[in-house]
Amino acid sequence: KQEVTQIPAALSVPEGENLVLNCSFTDSAIYNLQWFRQDPGKGLTSLLLIQSSQREQTSGRLNASLDKSSGRSTLYIAASQPGDSATYLCAVPEPGGGNKLTFGTGTQLKVEL
Amino acid sequence: ETGVTQTPRHLVMGMTNKKSLKCEQHLGHNAMYWYKQSAKKPLELMFVYSLEERVENNSVPSRFSPECPNSSHLFLHLHTLQPEDSALYLCASSQLRDSPWDTQYFGPGTRLTVL
Repeated sequence: KQEVTQIPAALSVPEGENLVLNCSFTDSAIYNLQWFRQDPGKGLTSLLLIQSSQREQTSGRLNASLDKSSGRSTLYIAASQPGDSATYLCAVPEPGGGNKLTFGTGTQLKVEL
Repeated sequence: ETGVTQTPRHLVMGMTNKKSLKCEQHLGHNAMYWYKQSAKKPLELMFVYSLEERVENNSVPSRFSPECPNSSHLFLHLHTLQPEDSALYLCASSQLRDSPWDTQYFGPGTRLTVL
C-alpha cells in the first residue's frame, strides 16, 4: 500500500527566504505527483502536477521536482512571502487505482514579516 | 457560482441528529469524491461516484450515507455520528474517474463538530 510522508511537519521562515518542502512515497510506480495548497479551514488548490516522465514543473516562484527511482519530490518556493503561509500537501495516485489519491500529512508553512 | 461549492461551511450536531452535507460542482465533471480530513491525519478518501454511480466505498461506517442524484450534486447524509467523526469533510470533482492524469478540484469543505 502506498504511503506518503512529508517532512518537515511545520516550518517557519522569515519573508524573502527560499525554502524546500519534501515529500517521499514508498511505491515508485506512480503516474504523477501533485502538490496542493490548503489555507486554514479551506479546501485544496492544485499548485503543480508532475507527470512521471517529467523531472520538474515550474509555476511562478514554485518549482517542483520528481525523482521516481528514489521515491522523492521537492517543492521549492523562491523568495517566500507572508501570503505563502498555508499547508502544502503532496499526493500520488494509487497504483492501478485510477484517480484515487494518497495524500501526505502536509507541511504547515508560516512566512513571517 | 464557479468551481466546487459546499454547504454548510460549518455544522455542529449532536450524536442523535440527522444532517446532510451538500456539494455542487459547476465544472461539467463526471466524477465526484468525498474526503475526510481529521487533525494530524492525511486526507482519507471516503466515496467516489462516477456518472452518478458509486464506484468506491473505502470501508466507511454506515452512519455515513452518500447520494449522487445527478453528475453535478453529491450529498453526504449523516446519522448517529460519534465525536471522532468531527473533521473537515471535503468534496472534489474531476473530469474522469479512471484517469490518474486528471486533476481533482476541491470545494472549501464543511467543518463538522459532533458533540
